[in-house]
Amino acid sequence: EPEVTQTPSHQVTQMGQEVILRCVPISNHLYFYWYRQILGQKVEFLVSFYNNEISEKSEIFDDQFSVERPDGSNFTLKIRSTKLEDSAMYFCASSAGPGRGYTFGSGTRLTVV
Amino acid sequence: SQQGEEDPQALSIQEGENATMNCSYKTSINNLQWYRQNSGRGLVHLILIRSNEREKHSGRLRVTLDTSKKSSSLLITASRAADTASYFCATDAPSNTGKLIFGQGTTLQVKP
Repeated sequence: EPEVTQTPSHQVTQMGQEVILRCVPISNHLYFYWYRQILGQKVEFLVSFYNNEISEKSEIFDDQFSVERPDGSNFTLKIRSTKLEDSAMYFCASSAGPGRGYTFGSGTRLTVV
Repeated sequence: SQQGEEDPQALSIQEGENATMNCSYKTSINNLQWYRQNSGRGLVHLILIRSNEREKHSGRLRVTLDTSKKSSSLLITASRAADTASYFCATDAPSNTGKLIFGQGTTLQVKP
């Protein structure tokens, strides 16, 4: 079964530092997403990415955040100047298209101290 | 209530019993999906039901969708201790970006 791979599984960073969360989506998928889940809360949409550009982003996804597909396989989420409230699980997902099943990665637990 | 609200928030049953979880939503949808999450782990896609479908089965899972009531239910039959997890519904709105809106989830505990 194809998987979405996320690294690292856990990252601890100092407040104000930049972090890059990495994802390898399923190879023949064209749509990529980042979601986050603050402990004990619901999963929240951050951004969708298609054809090398952002197709939709949420209010959470402000200038602090950016996404990139630097090569044919990786999909990254960069958080600049992290805040304590950025602590959460960040999930990457990919899909063959809207209305198709999504495959989520196991997540990166980000802890900002 | 918000898009993708689920009830109950928590459910505790004995092994072998059936578990039913409900989800309500507010806007029109392309499809509705159910996901499972074991504690501290990723989301596992269980089943997708399209807006023109009313019922769908997958193994011990049965999902219904009532678009007139904007609601869905997930039934797990003959539950097992390994079914213990949180279950989320997620709606795929017709935005063509594939954005999913998740509910708060139902925490299911199946006692052996």
